[in-house]
Amino acid sequence: RKEVEQDPGPFNVPEGATVAFNCTYSNSASQSFFWYRQDCRKEPKLLMSVYSSGNEDGRFTAQLNRASQYISLLIRDSKLSDSATYLCVVRRDTGRRALTFGSGTRLQVQP
Amino acid sequence: EAQVTQNPRYLITVTGKKLTVTCSQNMNHEYMSWYRQDPGLGLRQIYYSMNVEVTDKGDVPEGYKVSRKEKRNFPLILESPSPNQTSLYFCASSLFLQHNEQFFGPGTRLTVL
Repeated sequence: RKEVEQDPGPFNVPEGATVAFNCTYSNSASQSFFWYRQDCRKEPKLLMSVYSSGNEDGRFTAQLNRASQYISLLIRDSKLSDSATYLCVVRRDTGRRALTFGSGTRLQVQP
Repeated sequence: EAQVTQNPRYLITVTGKKLTVTCSQNMNHEYMSWYRQDPGLGLRQIYYSMNVEVTDKGDVPEGYKVSRKEKRNFPLILESPSPNQTSLYFCASSLFLQHNEQFFGPGTRLTVL
């Protein structure tokens, strides 16, 4: 079983739609959680951290459910520019390797 | 401009011909790392370095070497490339190991024939 699992998609949504992605992680020792965004053929970039209490950054809301070991990302009022692959990332504070990446969920926002 | 640079960006080579992919960061970051990205497998860590002269294996180190003689540089060496090393490679750095954000280079697309 992969340590971080995501639905690869693609999620095809119209502009203005609300879309949600989930991600599950297997290691209960995971302590920190993030969403990274990766545009086609480009490098990943940090989108937002995920806090236990949930957090919001403009149209983006991230939530963490430790009991069920999943993380979610909600995008409201989708824009064409939101089209990208969204990578779920977790970090175990034990051990020296920094981050474990999911294989990503692809979002395509259509006009 | 704060950035991570990689060279070359694209490389086609043949089996067994040694190559080096360079990585440099200008942010005075302690932690540097190499990943490969393959379809359906996500980003997998090859090697990482917590500081100068401190390197360690990641999840998929076989067939690769690294060195960290200076803080800013972290080259990836393939002594004898094989076709299964065809991949998209990313170098990344962060302030230190536990820092939240990793900054990635633009990637190197390697094809081994």
